[in-house]
Amino acid sequence: DAKTTQPNSMESNEEEPVHLPCNHSTISGTDYIHWYRQLPSQGPEYVIHGLTSNVNNRMASLAIAEDRKSSTLILHRATLRDAAVYYCILRAYLNSGGSNYKLTFGKGTLLTVNP
Amino acid sequence: DVKVTQSSRYLVKRTGEKVFLECVQDMDHENMFWYRQDPGLGLRLIYFSYDVKMKEKGDIPEGYSVSREKKERFSLILESASTNQTSMYLCASSESAGTGGGNTIYFGEGSWLTVV
Repeated sequence: DAKTTQPNSMESNEEEPVHLPCNHSTISGTDYIHWYRQLPSQGPEYVIHGLTSNVNNRMASLAIAEDRKSSTLILHRATLRDAAVYYCILRAYLNSGGSNYKLTFGKGTLLTVNP
Repeated sequence: DVKVTQSSRYLVKRTGEKVFLECVQDMDHENMFWYRQDPGLGLRLIYFSYDVKMKEKGDIPEGYSVSREKKERFSLILESASTNQTSMYLCASSESAGTGGGNTIYFGEGSWLTVV
């Protein structure tokens, strides 16, 4: 399985942008890059995903390197509610038909947001 | 809203007991997953299922089994609980992959299991 590497922790100030990096040098052509986050005492929740192009949604932006070996999750203005563990995950297909897949989570990055 | 419901939020069981963790989803999702989460180790995949009566081993299946008799329900079974299975267990579900690569995985709130 392709692996991801993230910093263990990062710190940010409220109202400032946050760039959370992820390395996935062994990514394959069909692996989608997913980001989830986990707030304290809750299950993880979906943030964003992409394949090759940069993506934006109401929660965040995802910047994907041209060679796809790394990506960056961007929170444009961090709030205290964004303090969480952020997981960068590669969605790998289980079979050649591409109908079944699994998500393998790493340890994630603990984001601390200072007031 | 999609809802993944785990039957028990907190459980305390004795070593050697058979333990059932139940999970139900209400969105007719094909895929269901069981993870465990431990401090410093992140989430680790135990088992998953992409159809009724189908199951696949994840990364740490030893000591666990699963059952999926109905599409909406996915049970995790600890045949003989041990103290090293004290953990938080997370159930999740999603649609089949299809196209687009999205297929958000929806998680339950987790079940905290303590084995004494």
